[in-house]
Amino acid sequence: RKEVEQDPGPFNVPEGATVAFNCTYSNSASQSFFWYRQDCRKEPKLLMSVYSSGNEDGRFTAQLNRASQYISLLIRDSKLSDSATYLCVNTGGFKTIFGAGTRLFVKA
Amino acid sequence: NAGVMQNPRHLVRRRGQEARLRCSPMKGHSHVYWYRQLPEEGLKFMVYLQKENIIDESGMPKERFSAEFPKEGPSILRIQQVVRGDSAAYFCASSPPSGQVYEQFFGPGTRLTVL
Repeated sequence: RKEVEQDPGPFNVPEGATVAFNCTYSNSASQSFFWYRQDCRKEPKLLMSVYSSGNEDGRFTAQLNRASQYISLLIRDSKLSDSATYLCVNTGGFKTIFGAGTRLFVKA
Repeated sequence: NAGVMQNPRHLVRRRGQEARLRCSPMKGHSHVYWYRQLPEEGLKFMVYLQKENIIDESGMPKERFSAEFPKEGPSILRIQQVVRGDSAAYFCASSPPSGQVYEQFFGPGTRLTVL
């Protein structure tokens, strides 16, 4: 089993749609969780940190369920500019593990 | 405050040559991470360094690859006797010195092509 697993995608959605990404992790000692965004042939950029209480930033909502070792990202009112690959990341001790990413295509 | 800098951005090498990739972390950051990304694949952790110390190199291939982060100057990822399978994007990231875990900030990457 991979340490971090994500929906394989790709997700093809129309503008304005709500889309949810899921991510599971296997290391119960993981301490911190993040969602990154990576545009084609660019470096990953931090989208948001993920907290147990859940957190929201504009159209983006992230949730963490430690008991189920599950992280989610919800994007509301999708924009064309949201098209990218979304990476689930967790860290524990010295290790940082990136998921393989889920590709999102938002179409007009 | 300049971000993470990597150079060169593109590097072409012939099989058997050496590749040296450089990474300058953000100002005030003393933790550096190197990742490799093959086309259409995710990021693979290679090595985590602090100044003059390798903290975790569990993702580094056992042969031909080495990394350093000297007291002065950038971090260097060195690949000796490159092979075609080394062609990839190599990203460096940095984070501030702390006992907590902070998010990592990435450089633009070096795209290595081995002919």
